[in-house]
Amino acid sequence: TQLLEQSPQFLSIQEGENLTVYCNSSSVFSSLQWYRQEPGEGPVLLVTVVTGGEVKKLKRLTFQFGDARKDSSLHITAAQPGDTGLYLCAATIQDSNYQLIWGAGTKLIIKP
Amino acid sequence: EAQVTQNPRYLITVTGKKLTVTCSQNMNHEYMSWYRQDPGLGLRQIYYSMNVEVTDKGDVPEGYKVSRKEKRNFPLILESPSPNQTSLYFCASWGTEAFFGQGTRLTVV
Repeated sequence: TQLLEQSPQFLSIQEGENLTVYCNSSSVFSSLQWYRQEPGEGPVLLVTVVTGGEVKKLKRLTFQFGDARKDSSLHITAAQPGDTGLYLCAATIQDSNYQLIWGAGTKLIIKP
Repeated sequence: EAQVTQNPRYLITVTGKKLTVTCSQNMNHEYMSWYRQDPGLGLRQIYYSMNVEVTDKGDVPEGYKVSRKEKRNFPLILESPSPNQTSLYFCASWGTEAFFGQGTRLTVV
């Protein structure tokens, strides 16, 4: 079973601070996606990164795919209480676009 | 609107009473999957299906069955539920991105 390791598992910070969440693996992936999940709801896609070294921005969120396509990071600038949630990374394996491998998630709490 | 519809949202049942959780998608996706989500364990795949009549076990298939008779539907069947199957269940389908149902919170007493 291929592993996708996320860190930290839990993060609680004050509003206005910056933070970075990491998603790492020893495998090379075709693509990597970041999702955000609210309590009791299904995950919702934030972004997909495909090319090694790719950087995508979504307002205060910056996503990066590692050059070797084995890792990714999510950076939030000036976190807001509305950013609170569970952040999940998921990746498709290189020789099959069917299987989606999931990280265990990072639970993020932003305190006002 | 693209969506995955799961029913029911909440279910409390007794040990051993067969139940089915339905899942339907309107995006013509070939790939569908069932997950359970438990605190600290993330999303664990129960079963997945790559197309009609093609299903395979995920990481935690014991105690579950699925069927894929039509492309849009992928029901999850618990023939004899047990308390350790109490969990939050999600159905998902995808093409280039995964779409999730709203979840089914199942309690087996």
